[in-house]
Amino acid sequence: DGGITQSPKYLFRKEGQNVTLSCEQNLNHDAMYWYRQDPGQGLRLIYYSQIVNDFQKGDIAEGYSVSREKKESFPLTVTSAQKNPTAFYLCASSHRGVRNQPQHFGDGTRLSIL
Amino acid sequence: GQNIDQPTEMTATEGAIVQINCTYQTSGFNGLFWYQQHAGEAPTFLSYNVLDGLEEKGRFSSFLSRSKGYSYLLLKELQMKDSASYLCAVREPPWNQGGKLIFGQGTELSVKP
Repeated sequence: DGGITQSPKYLFRKEGQNVTLSCEQNLNHDAMYWYRQDPGQGLRLIYYSQIVNDFQKGDIAEGYSVSREKKESFPLTVTSAQKNPTAFYLCASSHRGVRNQPQHFGDGTRLSIL
Repeated sequence: GQNIDQPTEMTATEGAIVQINCTYQTSGFNGLFWYQQHAGEAPTFLSYNVLDGLEEKGRFSSFLSRSKGYSYLLLKELQMKDSASYLCAVREPPWNQGGKLIFGQGTELSVKP
């Protein structure tokens, strides 16, 4: 079955540590996205990528980094510069060039500070 | 600026009808999406509107008025499993390059027996 796989489901970060969240999709989607969700709030866009080897900052990119070396993969690194990383992180993907195509989401990674 | 407003919480009774409203002010518009999100899970796609009017899909319908910057999601014959957060999201142009979504804060719906 096609879908989006995020791992790990739960992740703990120590002070000063960088951690990487994995996102893999086999839907043959060109566009991929990373969102952050805090309790009682909507999704906020961190980074997005329309095509391999290209990505753009979203609304809250500070303290995060991404890469897009393969179409299927869009890992997110939460760096030590992100002072409040505790949140639910969601990865999504979608087709480009098809107007009514929604973004499809992975099951998320919950990141906490140790 | 970009702004999408939804009520924070709503409560309804099993078997009833509920309408969840969404108003938006965005710099551009290329469609509005509704998603359902159960606690701790991924959002799942419910509906898409880009033209004015009502789109019906089983127990769920969604309405759009572009001139008023307004949409609603209508849920009929409510079931306990409909208890979830409902997210309204507006797509920014250009749609043919992926198109960023701007999300509202979500409406937490509780369905009571």
